[in-house]
Amino acid sequence: SQTIHQWPATLVQPVGSPLSLECTVEGTSNPNLYWYRQAAGRGLQLLFYSVGIGQISSEVPQNLSASRPQDRQFILSSKKLLLSDSGFYLCAWSGWDRVVVETQYFGPGTRLLVL
Amino acid sequence: GQNIDQPTEMTATEGAIVQINCTYQTSGFNGLFWYQQHAGEAPTFLSYNVLDGLEEKGRFSSFLSRSKGYSYLLLKELQMKDSASYLCAPMTTDSWGKLQFGAGTQVVVTP
Repeated sequence: SQTIHQWPATLVQPVGSPLSLECTVEGTSNPNLYWYRQAAGRGLQLLFYSVGIGQISSEVPQNLSASRPQDRQFILSSKKLLLSDSGFYLCAWSGWDRVVVETQYFGPGTRLLVL
Repeated sequence: GQNIDQPTEMTATEGAIVQINCTYQTSGFNGLFWYQQHAGEAPTFLSYNVLDGLEEKGRFSSFLSRSKGYSYLLLKELQMKDSASYLCAPMTTDSWGKLQFGAGTQVVVTP
């Protein structure tokens, strides 16, 4: 069965510091991968998605970036965090081995607080 | 882009039925997802509709009318654990694989 991991689970960072969040998927090959952010009490905002290694599409211009160095690894980064980067960061995957291939399955999330 | 409209909050008592409506405006519609999100947790997949009609899955059912741009999620025999946010997410052919989520409907189940 497929599983998706994210770490860290919680992070408190000062403004201006760098960021690296990691997401890995197990039990599937060539998944589509997604990064979302959810601000407190708000909806999900799609940040990045990837259909393959090294292929990243950005949905919202901002100070964040994403990379996919391996098939089942997706990384969200920032060089300098802003206060507005605080939120709940969710990684998701979808894949051809599911009945409905477009269904997205979410990881447990990383709660980021920028102070 | 897409316009997705769902109520902000609904309250119902344990054992009751609640219907969460979602209207959307999209071009090239290609299916609609419903997700459940408990406070502080990640969303979990509930249902997917691509054809008109009702899909039943235990206590939860989802309905779609493509011509009206309308869907609803029906929660029957409500339990306290059903207190959560319910997210409507239509998908379009020009954004294949990407979901645009509504803001969610917070369902509060009271004893």
